[in-house]
Amino acid sequence: DIQMTQSPSSLSAFVGDSVTITCQASQDIFSYVNWYQQNLGRAPKLLISDASKLETGVPSRFKGSGSGTDFSLTISGLQPEDFATYYCQQYDKLPYTFGQGTKLEI
Amino acid sequence: QVQLVESGGGLVKPGGSLRLSCTASGFTFSDYYMSWIRQAPGKGLEWLSYISGSADTIYYADSVKGRFTISRDNAKNSLYLQMDSLRVEDTAAYYCARSGDVFDYWGQGTLVTVSS
Repeated sequence: DIQMTQSPSSLSAFVGDSVTITCQASQDIFSYVNWYQQNLGRAPKLLISDASKLETGVPSRFKGSGSGTDFSLTISGLQPEDFATYYCQQYDKLPYTFGQGTKLEI
Repeated sequence: QVQLVESGGGLVKPGGSLRLSCTASGFTFSDYYMSWIRQAPGKGLEWLSYISGSADTIYYADSVKGRFTISRDNAKNSLYLQMDSLRVEDTAAYYCARSGDVFDYWGQGTLVTVSS
């Protein structure tokens, strides 16, 4: 199975800050990465697909980048509603696998 | 608008069975792959299985292969997960998600607790 290693596992920041979460795949997965946001007690929400494609309705302060084995999610100008847990997910090969998550705390 | 609603979770003893359902609306159900994904308490996300729109393609993660069975009824816009030989480690919130390679819509989840 392809392992997705996210870092950091947790992160503290202030409203208005910019933060970057990274995700490293155990093998080349081209650009086959999605990013999700999960608020406490809620279902995950798709933010970015295909490494960098912003989903409709997702604010432009979210940006995904990367290819091959190294990927990142950058949030610029953090808003209170952005404090949540973020997951990367690969879809190059089955089984689909997720990173362990990054909890972003205020 | 797309809606996915899971049901069927609950408390079950180890070795027992449970059948989860997911009712879809707001899109042409038969056109889409559907997946089940779970999340153990305080843990990350684990993809379990998917089924193609016509049910001719099915895949399972090793952790549930041979114990869980995914199915669908397109006439009822419903997705199912039959879970047998349940273990304590199957305790989790179970989500259905519209998929292919991207899980673009998720249900609210249903909680399964396996405990004696």
